[in-house]
Amino acid sequence: EPEVTQTPSHQVTQMGQEVILRCVPISNHLYFYWYRQILGQKVEFLVSFYNNEISEKSEIFDDQFSVERPDGSNFTLKIRSTKLEDSAMYFCASSDQQNTEAFFGQGTRLTVV
Amino acid sequence: AQRVTQPEKLLSVFKGAPVELKCNYSYSGSPELFWYVQYSRQRLQLLLRHISRESIKGFTADLNKGETSFHLKKPFAQEEDSAMYYCALSANAGNMLTFGGGTRLMVKP
Repeated sequence: EPEVTQTPSHQVTQMGQEVILRCVPISNHLYFYWYRQILGQKVEFLVSFYNNEISEKSEIFDDQFSVERPDGSNFTLKIRSTKLEDSAMYFCASSDQQNTEAFFGQGTRLTVV
Repeated sequence: AQRVTQPEKLLSVFKGAPVELKCNYSYSGSPELFWYVQYSRQRLQLLLRHISRESIKGFTADLNKGETSFHLKKPFAQEEDSAMYYCALSANAGNMLTFGGGTRLMVKP
């Protein structure tokens, strides 16, 4: 069964460093998403991406964040200058159509020290 | 803005007992409601959605627009149902999911 794949599973980075989280969505999917979950808190929407552009983003997704689909298979989330409060589990998801099931990856645990 | 509330962080029942995981939402339009489940060390996966009206693994959920609720129910809990359950809402304009805080279901033998 096809799956969304995220790498790495755990990333530790120093405050102020740039970090790139990688995702390979399911191959025939067209809609891509990033969510995050700070420890003990809700899963929060960050951004959705369709047709090579951002379709929705939340207030969390400020200028420090960017997304890219560099090569037709990967979908990346970049945090330009990490802060301690960026420490969270980051989930990538994809779906084949609008308002259909979103398939989630296993998540990348980002720890900013 | 939409909001999803799951009032119970933890629900503990014995095997064979009925289960109801509560979910309330607030949204001014016509929402689409989902239940996602996360078993230990596994990814978030869709359990069911209100428009499909299916019963998955014995679970059902009915959208009650009057009470703005979408409670998840199962008449007889099994140990393998132990997991984290998240209620989520999608507004009619897009795919963004708004999640509740989650309820950890523990089914004891």
